[in-house]
Amino acid sequence: GAGVSQSPSNKVTEKGKDVELRCDPISGHTALYWYRQRLGQGLEFLIYFQGNSAPDKSGLPSDRFSAERTGESVSTLTIQRTQQEDSAVYLCASSFKAGPTDTQYFGPGTRLTVL
Amino acid sequence: GDSVTQMEGPVTLSEEAFLTINCTYTATGYPSLFWYVQYPGEGLQLLLKATKADDKGSNKGFEATYRKETTSFHLEKGSVQVSDSAVYFCALSGHGGGGNKLTFGTGTQLKVEL
Repeated sequence: GAGVSQSPSNKVTEKGKDVELRCDPISGHTALYWYRQRLGQGLEFLIYFQGNSAPDKSGLPSDRFSAERTGESVSTLTIQRTQQEDSAVYLCASSFKAGPTDTQYFGPGTRLTVL
Repeated sequence: GDSVTQMEGPVTLSEEAFLTINCTYTATGYPSLFWYVQYPGEGLQLLLKATKADDKGSNKGFEATYRKETTSFHLEKGSVQVSDSAVYFCALSGHGGGGNKLTFGTGTQLKVEL
């Protein structure tokens, strides 16, 4: 079946602009996660959705970052007034349930470059 | 908070060599442990996992044993192939409140040469 998809695959923007990143999880997966991978670093957790609610937003680095999920499906991560330090690969993952033993399946990521 | 430490790369091996990538963790409670792999140009995919102490995860000739006494989850393979060249990430997911997010190590790049 189809895996997790993300769009766009690459995004180049100018400092100060807003960007929206999209994630389409695997159909039927109730949990959805956003992570960020900066160059040479491991993945950092950003936010987690259970259904359309976000019980854990602890990883969002600032109030410029927000995310929503609708229809227990698609999620959008929005970064306002982008800064150069926002440059990273943004990864989305989904899992059937939200338990700690459930496997998270990752999308290919969106590479964001802020000039 | 939770953390994962894995050996720095890159690791360069000849084909058919034995592979060990060390991973240790710090966590409250009883985490689940994972190895993810990222092949060149591809997304992150699960390689293997173990959800309780002394469990052994295995896949594609790789294996790792959840050692609670040493808080480790070292990845091993007896005979690596060129096709194993990739970046390997160790990760944990905690049990208890907030036990959904994955905490990752920084990744270890493996290069296998003929």
